[in-house]
Formats: sequence, C-alpha cells, structure tokens
Amino acid sequence: GAVVSQHPSWVICKSGTSVKIECRSLDFQATTMFWYRQFPKQSLMLMATSNEGSKATYEQGVEKDKFLINHASLTLSTLTVTSAHPEDSSFYICSAKGQGLAKNIQYFGAGTRLSVL
Amino acid sequence: DAKTTQPTSMDCAEGRAANLPCNHSTISGNEYVYWYRQIHSQGPQYIIHGLKNNETNEMASLIITEDRKSSTLILPHATLRDTAVYYCIVKNTGNQFYFGTGTSLTVIP
Repeated sequence: GAVVSQHPSWVICKSGTSVKIECRSLDFQATTMFWYRQFPKQSLMLMATSNEGSKATYEQGVEKDKFLINHASLTLSTLTVTSAHPEDSSFYICSAKGQGLAKNIQYFGAGTRLSVL
Repeated sequence: DAKTTQPTSMDCAEGRAANLPCNHSTISGNEYVYWYRQIHSQGPQYIIHGLKNNETNEMASLIITEDRKSSTLILPHATLRDTAVYYCIVKNTGNQFYFGTGTSLTVIP
C-alpha cells in the first residue's frame, strides 16, 4: 500500500509556542490530505480537509486560526498548532487520499503526539 | 454519511477466526463499507472495503449482507498482532471519513 510519513512522531513544547507537523505522501501524489485529532481512549476526530493549492476546509468547531494548514505541493501538507496550550495536547494524525486504483482509500501517517507543558 | 454500530469489545482465541460485525442500516446505494484498524498509538491501517460484493484480500474478508444493512469483517486466523481497535466506516466516494468508536479486539493466547 501507499506510504504516508508524518514528522515529528513526538513533540514537547512550552505553552504559547507554535508547533509544525509535516505529512508527506512518499510514493504517490495526494491531491487531498486530511488531519485528525485523537484524545486518549477516544476515536479519531476529523479536523480539516486539505486540497493542494487551495484553502483547507475545517470541520465545525475547529479554529482555523489556531490550526493552520498548508498544502503547497502534491506530496506535503503541514499543520501548525499556533500558541499551543495544554488542552491542545493530543495525538495528531494525517492521511492522504490515494490515486488510481486506490483513489478511494485513505492512507494514514503514524501520528504525532503533542505534549504542551 | 450513514452511521455505523459496532460492539464495543470482543475477544478471540489465537488461531481462530475473528468475526467483527458492523451494522449500517441507513446505508445508501452509493456508499462503500470500509474497515480500518488502529493498533495502540499508531495511525489507522487500511484493511479492506467493498460496495455490495464480498471482498477478500491478504488481510481479511468482508462479507456484506444482500440488503447491505450490515457487514462482517473476518480475520481468518487471528494472531496476537491483530489486537487492535477495528473501525467500520460507511461513506460515499466523497472525501471525508468520520470514525465511530470501533470494536476493541483482543486476541487471547
């Protein structure tokens, strides 16, 4: 299957700082990428849908100025958590939509665990 | 997109078949059934998907009832590494996945 790489896998930051998470599709071009957040013992919650070259579409209740998403190329999307606070501590996961025969399948990264002190 | 209902948890003996049910009684004609699993602290892994025909791949089989209101994911010979949360998702060919609570499968030695 297609490979999606997410970096970093784990980050600790101080309250008030910004953190950038990268999501790369390694062996395919992803016109659409997705960002999810997962709190302990809960399911994944879709945050936003990112299309290459256009503004991201955010789910209801997700602050677009807080979670900045950039999808400048067909293989890279970034999520920046601005002015992070302890309540932003979570597991952030990206996914990318496949192409060709796999165009209806989303492939997920390994996730980034963010801890805000 | 249609909602899904899955049992919260299941156990399965190692080496036996694991049968994970999913109810999606409000599924519409153009919606696919997808199965993913998430091993602790990792990203979800794609398993299989189908529309109305039964599907099989190297990981699992997907059995969809004729009325498409329910489906079963079958892991033919469960191993300890199959312990994970299994998500059944129903969606059309549009983009978004909305995850439910899934089934926590524990494979017992």
